[in-house]
Amino acid sequence: AQKITQTQPGMFVQEKEAVTLDCTYDTSDPSYGLFWYKQPSSGEMIFLIYQGSYDQQNATEGRYSLNFQKARKSANLVISASQLGDSAMYFCAMRWSNYQLIWGAGTKLIIKP
Amino acid sequence: DAGVTQSPTHLIKTRGQQVTLRCSPISGHKSVSWYQQVLGQGPQFIFQYYEKEERGRGNFPDRFSARQFPNYSSELNVNALLLGDSALYLCASSGTTGSYEQYFGPGTRLTVT
Repeated sequence: AQKITQTQPGMFVQEKEAVTLDCTYDTSDPSYGLFWYKQPSSGEMIFLIYQGSYDQQNATEGRYSLNFQKARKSANLVISASQLGDSAMYFCAMRWSNYQLIWGAGTKLIIKP
Repeated sequence: DAGVTQSPTHLIKTRGQQVTLRCSPISGHKSVSWYQQVLGQGPQFIFQYYEKEERGRGNFPDRFSARQFPNYSSELNVNALLLGDSALYLCASSGTTGSYEQYFGPGTRLTVT
């Protein structure tokens, strides 16, 4: 069965430090996609980064990068030079079949000034 | 261009009542997905519609139904509301049923008393 696991319920990080949010997944399908979304307290899901299972290189989007380790079924999000505005819930999700996203439980990230 | 819009923003209903939530996708997007996010958890997939046809359904009871209109907007209906239906309901649109990137609306927060 498809499953996403985020083992860090919460994290405190000092401003300007880099932070790594963990995500592991389980699927038997060879084709899948992995996403990271940010959810501020307002509730809206904001797309951050995407990694396809056949992509050879790790995805990067500005200060966000995805550390994709296929053999370990790991897709960690790395945020470089964290900012106060990065404080939010972060969700890892996996596209399954053509239409469904399966989500982890999320990690609450708090950036300290 | 306008993003995904949802209405209403907040809603309070009584157990046993019925509710209709509305979503307008990004202009040009033909696919709409609905998710339920209970407080403290990741979203759960409810439905996806593409070109007015249901393309996928999550593990939700028949009290949940949806439809998509010719202009690609969508409604989610929930009958016989239970206290456990209290959640944030998120709508996401994408260009095609297989498109990897889903854009989310601000959500409708439903409280059942």
